[in-house]
Amino acid sequence: DIQMTQSPSSLSASVGDRVTITCRASQSISRYLNWYQQKPGKPPKLLIYAASSLQSGVPSRFSGSGSGTDFTLTISSLQPEDFATYYCQQSYSTLRTFGQGTKVEIK
Amino acid sequence: QVQLVESGGGAVQPGRSLRLSCAASGFTFSNYAMHWVRQSPGKGLEWVAVISYDGNNKYYADSVKGRFTISRDNSKNTLYLQMNSLRAEDTAVYSCARDLKPYADSQYYFDYWGQGTLVTVSS
Repeated sequence: DIQMTQSPSSLSASVGDRVTITCRASQSISRYLNWYQQKPGKPPKLLIYAASSLQSGVPSRFSGSGSGTDFTLTISSLQPEDFATYYCQQSYSTLRTFGQGTKVEIK
Repeated sequence: QVQLVESGGGAVQPGRSLRLSCAASGFTFSNYAMHWVRQSPGKGLEWVAVISYDGNNKYYADSVKGRFTISRDNSKNTLYLQMNSLRAEDTAVYSCARDLKPYADSQYYFDYWGQGTLVTVSS
């Protein structure tokens, strides 16, 4: 199975900060990498697909980059509604796997 | 609008079985692959299984292979997860999710999720 490793596991940031989360795959997954946002008690919401494509309706302050094994999710200016947990997911393999999550907390 | 509603969760003893259901509405269910994903309390997301649009192709995470069976009834717009030989580590909220495409190996993302149903495995 393809292992996905996110870093950091958690971070504290202030409104307006630029935030970057990284995700590393245990083997090359081309650009088959998706990012989801999850708030407590809610299902995950798709933010980015195919490494860098912004899902319809998602604010442009979210962006994704990377290919192969290394990927990043960037929030250019953190907003109050962005405090949540973020997960990367590879869809290269039929056996989909998620990263362990990155919790973004208020500083 | 697209709706996915899970049911069938509950408390069960180790070694017993449980069947979960996911009722789909608001879209043509038979056109999409479907997944089960679980989340243990306070933990991250774990992909469990996928089934193709026609039910002919199924794949499982190593952690559940041989114990869980995914199936679907397109005439009832319902996805199922039969869980046998349950273990304490299977305790989680189980959610169904829709794939963007019909095929189990689509390489696409999950565009809709249900709220989930809690399964607790404990003696």
